[in-house]
Amino acid sequence: NAGVMQNPRHLVRRRGQEARLRCSPMKGHSHVYWYRQLPEEGLKFMVYLQKENIIDESGMPKERFSAEFPKEGPSILRIQQVVRGDSAAYFCASSPPVTPGGQYFGPGTRLTVL
Amino acid sequence: GQQLNQSPQSMFIQEGEDVSMNCTSSSIFNTWLWYKQEPGEGPVLLIALYKAGELTSNGRLTAQFGITRKDSFLNISASIPSDVGIYFCAGFGAGSYQLTFGKGTKLSVIP
Repeated sequence: NAGVMQNPRHLVRRRGQEARLRCSPMKGHSHVYWYRQLPEEGLKFMVYLQKENIIDESGMPKERFSAEFPKEGPSILRIQQVVRGDSAAYFCASSPPVTPGGQYFGPGTRLTVL
Repeated sequence: GQQLNQSPQSMFIQEGEDVSMNCTSSSIFNTWLWYKQEPGEGPVLLIALYKAGELTSNGRLTAQFGITRKDSFLNISASIPSDVGIYFCAGFGAGSYQLTFGKGTKLSVIP
């Protein structure tokens, strides 16, 4: 029973490049959430998606950030024209259709912008 | 926005001691969750609480959802070295899908 999977685990980008982070939810989970964590901080909500729908993106920066959860395949968090301040750990969580309930987190993608 | 105040920020305890940490909120939460995070990993769900006053155990861990719905605590009994990590409280406000996290309690266990 595989948990939430994220890849890559580590991603290094130069300023101005694009970062693509992938998340496959747990089997049977149709809700996906993305969070960002800075060092020594708790996680901060970014976006909540269901298949082919963005439900709540109130925590996501208006520019350069986008997220999708297509009918087939993983959820993608995309950061265009990365800046040094985007360096952080990005976590994906999933939950079953009954919400709100416990969210189960993946291992995270650690993005470093040079 | 909603904020969670988690205390203490860090704890150093002897192996075998009991541990208590708590979380308070400025607003009402409908669900409280406790997570543990180890270096380089994602948070692992330990306990979920859904009703005011609810007391739930998971092995040596016990957590309670405060009657006022503005606080929760987590107790760990007879700590062992593998309890080391950062413990986060998190919660959902009314009608919200956004988990709000505390800043964490960093636990160190001295063998």
